[in-house]
Amino acid sequence: EIVLTQSPGTLSLSPGDTATLSCRASQTFTRGSLAWYQHKAGQAPRLLIYGAISRATGVPDRFSGSGSGTDFTLTISRLEPEDFAVYYCHQYGDSPPYPFGQGTKVEIK
Amino acid sequence: EVQLEESGGDLVQPGGSLRLSCSAVGFRFSDYGMYWVRHAPGKGLEFVAAISSNGGSIYYADFVRGRFTISRDNSKKTVNLEMSRLRTDDTALYYCVKDRIRWSGGFESWGQGTPVTVSS
Repeated sequence: EIVLTQSPGTLSLSPGDTATLSCRASQTFTRGSLAWYQHKAGQAPRLLIYGAISRATGVPDRFSGSGSGTDFTLTISRLEPEDFAVYYCHQYGDSPPYPFGQGTKVEIK
Repeated sequence: EVQLEESGGDLVQPGGSLRLSCSAVGFRFSDYGMYWVRHAPGKGLEFVAAISSNGGSIYYADFVRGRFTISRDNSKKTVNLEMSRLRTDDTALYYCVKDRIRWSGGFESWGQGTPVTVSS
C-alpha cells in the first residue's frame, strides 16, 4: 500500500513569495497518477494538478506540478492572498486505496 | 456547470445507520466514475468508496468494507452511500466527488459535503 508523505507540515510565507511543497511516495506510481488539491476551510477541495504536471481547467499558471517516480513537487509562484490554504497530494490510480498525503498548510507570515 | 449536492448527514448513535445521497447536475452522469471522500475533524482527506460509471466496479477503503455500501442510479443521476455499524471515528464531513474522466483521472469536482456525527 502506497503511503504519501508531505513536507513541510506548515509553510509561513508572504504574498508574492514562492511556495514549494513536497510529496514523497513510499513506492513508484504507475502512470504518474498524482494529483494536488487546494482546500480552504468551509469550502470544497479544488483539483489543481493531475498526472503530476497537468493543470486542471481554470487553474492559474502560477501553480505548477513536477516530479516522477516517488518524488513530486507543487510550486506556487507569486503567492496571492487567496492561495493561503491547505494543499494535499493524492494518488488516484486504477484501484484503491487512493491515499492522500497528510497536507501542507500554507499560511501568511 | 457541474454541481454535486450531498444530503443525509445527521447525528447518529454508535452502531447506527445512515444513508447519504448525492444529486448531480451539469454533466452526463452515466459517463463518470463517482467517489465518496471524507474529512474528519483535525485530520486529512480520506477515500471512502468508489463506483464506476455503470456501477460494475466498486471499491472501498479497508476501514469501511463490510459496513458501507456505495450504489448509483444513472436514471436519477444520484450516487448513494449506505452506512451501517457506524463508529465514533466515522465522524466526518462526507464529500461526493466526480472523476475527471470516465475512470481514474483524478477527483475533479467536489460537493460541499454533508456532516456525519457519530456520538452517544
